[in-house]
Amino acid sequence: NAGVTQTPKFRILKIGQSMTLQCAQDMNHNYMYWYRQDPGMGLKLIYYSVGAGITDKGEVPNGYNVSRSTTEDFPLRLELAAPSQTSVYFCASSYQGGGGEGYTFGSGTRLTVV
Amino acid sequence: KQEVTQIPAALSVPEGENLVLNCSFTDSAIYNLQWFRQDPGKGLTSLLLIQSSQREQTSGRLNASLDKSSGRSTLYIAASQPGDSATYLCAYYNQGGKLIFGQGTELSVKP
Repeated sequence: NAGVTQTPKFRILKIGQSMTLQCAQDMNHNYMYWYRQDPGMGLKLIYYSVGAGITDKGEVPNGYNVSRSTTEDFPLRLELAAPSQTSVYFCASSYQGGGGEGYTFGSGTRLTVV
Repeated sequence: KQEVTQIPAALSVPEGENLVLNCSFTDSAIYNLQWFRQDPGKGLTSLLLIQSSQREQTSGRLNASLDKSSGRSTLYIAASQPGDSATYLCAYYNQGGKLIFGQGTELSVKP
């Protein structure tokens, strides 16, 4: 049981480049989330999805895009990377909203934009 | 604005001490509350989830309490060990089902 898998674990991007952070879960969870964590700070919600085909903005969505074509996958797209997007990105999933059974987190992707 | 404050930001204790980590939140309509552990460069590991109707949860040497009326949660760690060294994050689920995080308490337990 892999849980939530994120790839890549590390990435260095140049300003203006684009990339996709991958997230996959094998728990048949309906809800999936993307967070970013800046040094010494808590996590902030970027985007979330309540099911395949449905996505919505979180607290800090600017500069990112998401899609949810399947229950299992929830990729995060950075179109024009900026230094302000240097952060650690975490994907999470849950069976239901509201935290009834808690979230399961991936191990994170550490992104540096130079 | 929904905010979570964790005090202290950092804590260093000798091995064997009992300690308390504090978490306060401004939202009076929280749903559940969850404590996580994060090791350096790693992801988040769930420690305890307190359901809305509960006041505390226990797992081994860990005990977490929740007082929604005062907007506070505490994580109690008994007989601390060097392996407990990590950052501890408090987060609550708001009425919309979103998880709102504090900035964490960085704990160092010295042998």
